[in-house]
Amino acid sequence: DTAVSQTPKYLVTQMGNDKSIKCEQNLGHDTMYWYKQDSKKFLKIMFSYNNKELIINETVPNRFSPKSPDKAHLNLHINSLELGDSAVYFCASSSLTGTEAFFGQGTRLTVV
Amino acid sequence: AQSVTQLDSHVSVSEGTPVLLRCNYSSSYSPSLFWYVQHPNKGLQLLLKYTSAATLVKGINGFEAEFKKSETSFHLTKPSAHMSDAAEYFCVVTLFSGGYNKLIFGAGTRLAVHP
Repeated sequence: DTAVSQTPKYLVTQMGNDKSIKCEQNLGHDTMYWYKQDSKKFLKIMFSYNNKELIINETVPNRFSPKSPDKAHLNLHINSLELGDSAVYFCASSSLTGTEAFFGQGTRLTVV
Repeated sequence: AQSVTQLDSHVSVSEGTPVLLRCNYSSSYSPSLFWYVQHPNKGLQLLLKYTSAATLVKGINGFEAEFKKSETSFHLTKPSAHMSDAAEYFCVVTLFSGGYNKLIFGAGTRLAVHP
């Protein structure tokens, strides 16, 4: 059973397109996250949702819009994709009182 | 403010020799600290965690880390490296902000293991 799953695993698209990445967790966690990993492997938090409510919104262009239809899902929609958006995007989840996060396998986004 | 510094961007060891990956943290309160591992083209896997219990923490695959408050360090060690240990390792500290935790990642240390 995959605890945190995200789709697609690879995404290649042209500049200016709109794309979405989906994430689902079956751990019963209340909190979900999106992290971005750049080409130097640096990981930075983008968003966090707790029970469908946005709680952390780092300095991210408003072309990025997270959506949480329920506490088991957190999708990431990106409008007007730019070359600099190319990265690996990781979804993660944690319990409200817990500390560690469980990560998905990542989505490698390449914008050409 | 919470932050974490991984002192080496690359570490290279021979198979069978000890591994030491260094991490220093900064935290205004008693932190939770973690080490995650990322194998090539894979996701992030939790190796071990410190959450104010025992200062010597044992993790998976023979790794362990010691929390030293006086040195603000949380170095990762393994007595004998295996080829399969080659990966990127991240030291992580929690930041408690607005009533919620978020993880702050170090820049990563790439471990190479040579035969």
